[in-house]
Amino acid sequence: AQTVTQSQPEMSVQEAETVTLSCTYDTSESDYYLFWYKQPPSRQMILVIRQEAYKQQNATENRFSVNFQKAAKSFSLKISDSQLGDAAMYFCAYRSADTGTASKLTFGTGTRLQVTL
Amino acid sequence: NAGVTQTPKFQVLKTGQSMTLQCAQDMNHNSMYWYRQDPGMGLRLIYYSASEGTTDKGEVPNGYNVSRLNKREFSLRLESAAPSQTSVYFCASSHGQLSNQPQHFGDGTRLSIL
Repeated sequence: AQTVTQSQPEMSVQEAETVTLSCTYDTSESDYYLFWYKQPPSRQMILVIRQEAYKQQNATENRFSVNFQKAAKSFSLKISDSQLGDAAMYFCAYRSADTGTASKLTFGTGTRLQVTL
Repeated sequence: NAGVTQTPKFQVLKTGQSMTLQCAQDMNHNSMYWYRQDPGMGLRLIYYSASEGTTDKGEVPNGYNVSRLNKREFSLRLESAAPSQTSVYFCASSHGQLSNQPQHFGDGTRLSIL
């Protein structure tokens, strides 16, 4: 079974600065997908960014980018030019690429990000 | 632009009462999921339905039942609620077979069991 570990329960960043959230995972599969979801106080689960394991290029979405290290099984999220609206809980998630598994997600325990002025 | 709709948003139950959480999606997705979210534990999969007519247990299925009523709807039932089932419940859907597509989540149901 796959596991996802987020070792930072809480992080803090000043507005306009850069912060990196860590995520490691354990799997015996070679093909899979990784996601970062954001959960603001409204409780919505919002997809931030995704990475296909077979792609060496790190995914980027505006101010959000990942550092995907497949051999190290590491998938960190970098938020540049942090904004007050980035304050939320961030979850790392894993999904097998096996189409027979109905795309089940395995989540980490989350990192709460605070953004200060 | 509804996406995934969950009802109710909040509910308080007494121990032993039964309750059905409703979920509907309008994105023509094949697969649907129920998760629970507890403090410090992330989201854990309770049950999922890979396609209409099928359901399977996830990581924490005990005390729950599900019904995939049709392609749009996937309900979660607590037959005899227990305080340990106090949690926030999320329904999600995805294309399923197209596994590079993300799951879409509802807004959650906060359930308290006294």
